[in-house]
Order: sequence, then structure tokens, then C-alpha cells
Amino acid sequence: AQSVTQLGSHVSVSEGALVLLRCNYSSSVPPYLFWYVQYPNQGLQLLLKYTSAATLVKGINGFEAEFKKSETSFHLTKPSAHMSDAAEYFCAVSDANFGNEKLTFGTGTRLTIIP
Amino acid sequence: GAGVSQSPSNKVTEKGKDVELRCDPISGHTALYWYRQSLGQGLEFLIYFQGNSAPDKSGLPSDRFSAERTGGSVSTLTIQRTQQEDSAVYLCASSLLAGVPNEQYFGPGTRLTVT
Repeated sequence: AQSVTQLGSHVSVSEGALVLLRCNYSSSVPPYLFWYVQYPNQGLQLLLKYTSAATLVKGINGFEAEFKKSETSFHLTKPSAHMSDAAEYFCAVSDANFGNEKLTFGTGTRLTIIP
Repeated sequence: GAGVSQSPSNKVTEKGKDVELRCDPISGHTALYWYRQSLGQGLEFLIYFQGNSAPDKSGLPSDRFSAERTGGSVSTLTIQRTQQEDSAVYLCASSLLAGVPNEQYFGPGTRLTVT
């Protein structure tokens, strides 16, 4: 079974500082990996996805993530945090290799931005 | 354009009652998913519909849960004899195609509270 682990349920960074949200995956096949963001009382919005093309993936709102097979990681970064980045972030892996795209999510990381 | 819509946005019900949650996917999307988001369990997959294929019900937590998708569009998730542990936000998502890792578009969710 595929799974993802997000290290740190809460992360706080100062406005303008680097954002780093960690995600490690476990998969018996090359994975498809995703980062989603959830703002309060809203559904999930896709930030970016890795589908075995480029290992460095750029997403919306200045976020990017790098797929590192050797480390089984897919960490999310943003060079300079903005107040509007405060939200909960979920890493997910897809079962698309098995003909079903259901997502298995990590437990989420709540990002707080300090003014 | 219109996104995924869900109704009701909030539902409070008494233990033992049945509830129906509705999802209207994006027009033309062939795949539809239900997930549950709760404090104790995080984001969990419940059920997946793809075209006319038999649904993947592997995530349904008990036989009190069922779902149908009529005409390849609207879906209803039914919970019979609700229990307090069913309290959660139920999220619906749709995607254009299956078999490739397409973006899942999420609705705002239905917050279910069982008293």
C-alpha cells in the first residue's frame, strides 16, 4: 500500500522567510505525488503535482517541490512566505498506477505566518 | 466556470437518523470521489466512481455507508443510522479522466454533526 508521511503538524515561519514543508512517501511503484492546500472552511486546491516528468515541479502561488527518489521525498518550498500562505497543506500519493486515482493523504501541516 | 458543488453545507442530525449528502461534479468529468475529513482520521478515501464501471467502495467504513451516481453525474452519499463517530466533513471531488494522474477538483464539503 502506498502512504505519505508529513513531518511537522504545525510549522510557523516569518513573513518573507523560506517555507519548507516536508513529505516522504512509500510506494512499491513510481508514485504520482501531489500537494494540496486548504484554506479555512474551503475545499482542497491543487498546488502542484509530480507525474514522472521533471523532478522539480513548479506550482501556483510561487510554490515548488522536488521529487527525490533516493530520499523518497517530495518536500514543498517557497522562497518567501506571504501572509496569504497561511493554510493547511496536504501531501498525497495517487493510486493511478493501479488504474484508480484515489488519493492517499498525509496528516497535513498547518502553516502559520508570523508578521 | 462552475466548480464542484455540495449540499447541504452543514448538516446536524440526531444519532440513529439517516442522512443524504449530495455532490454535483464539474460537467463532463467522468470520475467522482468521496473523501472524509475528520480530526481523528485525517483525510480518508471513501468511494470512487468512473464512468459506467463498478465503483471502488473499498474505503467505505461500514455497511451503513452507501453511494450512488445517477446518469454519470450527480452523486449521493447516504449514511444510515448515523453514529457520533460519523461526524466529519465529507468532501467530493471530480476529475476529467481516469487512468492518468489528473487533477481532482474538490467541493467545499458538507460538515456533518451527529448529536
